[in-house]
Amino acid sequence: AQKVTQAQTEISVVEKEDVTLDCVYETRDTTYYLFWYKQPPSGELVFLIRRNSFDEQNEISGRYSWNFQKSTSSFNFTITASQVVDSAVYFCALSVSTGTASKLTFGTGTRLQVTL
Amino acid sequence: DADVTQTPRNRITKTGKRIMLECSQTKGHDRMYWYRQDPGLGLQLIYYSFDVKDINKGEISDGYSVSRQAQAKFSLSLESAIPNQTALYFCATSDLDIDSNQPQHFGDGTRLSIL
Repeated sequence: AQKVTQAQTEISVVEKEDVTLDCVYETRDTTYYLFWYKQPPSGELVFLIRRNSFDEQNEISGRYSWNFQKSTSSFNFTITASQVVDSAVYFCALSVSTGTASKLTFGTGTRLQVTL
Repeated sequence: DADVTQTPRNRITKTGKRIMLECSQTKGHDRMYWYRQDPGLGLQLIYYSFDVKDINKGEISDGYSVSRQAQAKFSLSLESAIPNQTALYFCATSDLDIDSNQPQHFGDGTRLSIL
């Protein structure tokens, strides 16, 4: 069975601070995919990134960066110079392939509050 | 227009009523999913479908049923709604790719309250 743990329930930072959201996953599969989604106050879910288990390169997209470490089963997400618009709930998710299946297992989410 | 459209966006109903949540997509994806989100929890998979002839139970399918009427349409039914089914419901789609797990694209959600 798969499991995703986001131990940080809620984080509050002041604008322009850097913040890291932690994600730890469990799976026995050797091929898997990790995702981050953002859920702003309006409620929709926005896809941010997908990473497969064979690619441990870190990725940067503007103020967002992701650190994937298989040795610690972690896929952490860092926002540099946070802004109020970054306030949202962020979900980490894991997907493994079973035949033609690609079901997502979600963590419980981290609520990020960025204040002025 | 949204690629994944859920109707209704909000619904309040009474215990014991039958209710249907609808999802339609214009992305041309084969795979469709229904999730529910409860406060403080992640999303839990209710049902998923890989094409119009394929329906699969997810983690929490009891009390729910689905119908894949066409590639673009996937509806979720609560035959006899109960208060603990009050939640935010999401429909999602993903493309078929045998070499990788494509990201799922979500609708805006349906907020369902059962009194």
